[in-house]
Amino acid sequence: QQQVKQSPQSLIVQKGGISIINCAYENTAFDYFPWYQQFPGKGPALLIAIRPDVSEKKEGRFTISFNKSAKQFSLHIMDSQPGDSATYFCAASKPGGSQGNLIFGKGTKLSVKP
Amino acid sequence: DAGVIQSPRHEVTEMGQEVTLRCKPISGHDYLFWYRQTMMRGLELLIYFNNNVPIDDSGMPEDRFSAKMPNASFSTLKIQPSEPRDSAVYFCASSLATDTQYFGPGTRLTVL
Repeated sequence: QQQVKQSPQSLIVQKGGISIINCAYENTAFDYFPWYQQFPGKGPALLIAIRPDVSEKKEGRFTISFNKSAKQFSLHIMDSQPGDSATYFCAASKPGGSQGNLIFGKGTKLSVKP
Repeated sequence: DAGVIQSPRHEVTEMGQEVTLRCKPISGHDYLFWYRQTMMRGLELLIYFNNNVPIDDSGMPEDRFSAKMPNASFSTLKIQPSEPRDSAVYFCASSLATDTQYFGPGTRLTVL
């Protein structure tokens, strides 16, 4: 019940295309859903995050779609660029933020071909 | 701000040796986390501290692993004795009682 399941494991997209990464969770107590981006040799960095009181959040080319009833959330990258090539992790935490700590998905390696 | 600082960046050691990884969190942050990342298991939380006090160490694999935070600006993760299966990238992260965790660059540990 503590798991966050992420798919696909890897994704290849052409430049200008849309990248979509999906995550599912079981614990209905989760109330914070961030996405982290990790480039090779670097630590993960927060990309965008959402709380269950909204169904969508957009920041530039990055959008999180949240479906509370289905217990699913997804990351959409519009107009994907080669510079977006990285590993993306979804995560979830319970109320209290850091106090509840983050449960991470296994990650999706995105490659954007020029 | 320099961000979270970890040292060393790379460590190669032989099985049975003691390994100490170091972390300096972002100044003012009151939470510190240690993670391990492998291809097979992804990102795993090992232990986290709040105001220098360990809160949850349920992710620590076994007694060979120990972590300390003697003050607000320094933490160590020690493995003694090290084993080949401990080979991974170890990340330290810190946060300011919020949801956003800031990760360091990681320490790549190879145990031969």
